Amino acid sequence: ETGVTQSPTHLIKTRGQQVTLRCSSQSGHNTVSWYQQALGQGPQFIFQYYREEENGRGNFPPRFSGLQFPNYSSELNVNALELDDSALYLCASSPLPDTQYFGPGTRLTVL
Amino acid sequence: DAKTTQPPSMDCAEGRAANLPCNHSTISGNEYVYWYRQIHSQGPQYIIHGLKNNETNEMASLIITEDRKSSTLILPHATLRDTAVYYCIVLSNFGNEKLTFGTGTRLTIIP
Repeated sequence: ETGVTQSPTHLIKTRGQQVTLRCSSQSGHNTVSWYQQALGQGPQFIFQYYREEENGRGNFPPRFSGLQFPNYSSELNVNALELDDSALYLCASSPLPDTQYFGPGTRLTVL
Repeated sequence: DAKTTQPPSMDCAEGRAANLPCNHSTISGNEYVYWYRQIHSQGPQYIIHGLKNNETNEMASLIITEDRKSSTLILPHATLRDTAVYYCIVLSNFGNEKLTFGTGTRLTIIP
């Protein structure tokens, strides 16, 4: 186990709704990265937070936003959900600079 | 980051060594080779990484060619629990950059 936890495990939403996913990083890790993994594909980088500031972003629209808190835990928020947002959402934590360790993921289904 | 090429799938008999190749012919001098694996619907698991020297840990060995244009991940005694998709990723600095996942190699361990 990596010590990275995510909640909830599974989530079902309808199109147009908003969702918040949570990630608790491993102790001592000040960086959190979020990835989206659609069915049958590899994970795609959404963004990274380092010491509460966004530190890089992938090719995702602004309705994907995030936060990092002083304890280095993080949230991923997605507004105006679309059917294509259905995916496994993964967070990974790391102590800068070092290897990223992933949590188990949150499975989001948008109906 | 340099692009990697991996075979889409491989089989290996249980108890034998599994050798997973990866080509990264455009790798530059400051880029590391990282390996992760993903067991069905779980978060990716870090396996090993290296720069130019061969590396070994409790999970696997990583052999990097002298010109660094290719590498091989070796699982010395494969078990059924090693069935997973294996990703070879090349990235600069220390591994806290965004991870760019390709399609990986689906390794199936045969009883």
